[in-house]
Amino acid sequence: EDQVTQSPEALRLQEGESSSLNCSYTVSGLRGLFWYRQDPGKGPEFLFTLYSAGEEKEKERLKATLTKKESFLHITAPKPEDSATYLCAVQAQIQGAQKLVFGQGTRLTINP
Amino acid sequence: KAGVTQTPRYLIKTRGQQVTLSCSPISGHRSVSWYQQTPGQGLQFLFEYFSETQRNKGNFPGRFSGRQFSNSRSEMNVSTLELGDSALYLCASSTTANTEAFFGQGTRLTVV
Repeated sequence: EDQVTQSPEALRLQEGESSSLNCSYTVSGLRGLFWYRQDPGKGPEFLFTLYSAGEEKEKERLKATLTKKESFLHITAPKPEDSATYLCAVQAQIQGAQKLVFGQGTRLTINP
Repeated sequence: KAGVTQTPRYLIKTRGQQVTLSCSPISGHRSVSWYQQTPGQGLQFLFEYFSETQRNKGNFPGRFSGRQFSNSRSEMNVSTLELGDSALYLCASSTTANTEAFFGQGTRLTVV
């Protein structure tokens, strides 16, 4: 069964303290891996798409990387406004149809 | 460019009733997907429509149904509501199934 597992479930950092979030997946026919940010009561906000192992994408303090079995979201010198739940999703080809499978998310809190 | 619009934002319904949620995708996007988000299960895929055809369906009972109109707008219907249907229902649009999906703000459904 296709699975996406994110760790840790929750992470609390001090402002400026860099860290990484992990997304591991077991899926056949991977078509893409997506990172989203979600604030409470709102819909997920698209951050990055990664398609192949070795690919990297950057946006401000965030950098996403992809290997054959996992992806990392690196957060450098975070600020309180980076506090949110970060979701990872993989798009897979399953029985001829495309499907987006989400992880449970990592709840990130940045303390000033 | 307008984002994905979901209406209504909040709904309170009684067990046994039915409900219809609406989603207007980003202009030019022909793929619309629906997701259910709950604290315990996270984001779960309901179904995906492309050019008025349902291309993919998640593991939800037949009480959950949807449709897409010629202008790509989509509706989701839930019949015979149960308490467990209380959730944030999210709609996402994309140009095709292989590209990044952009989410609306969601409809918060509460069943009492």
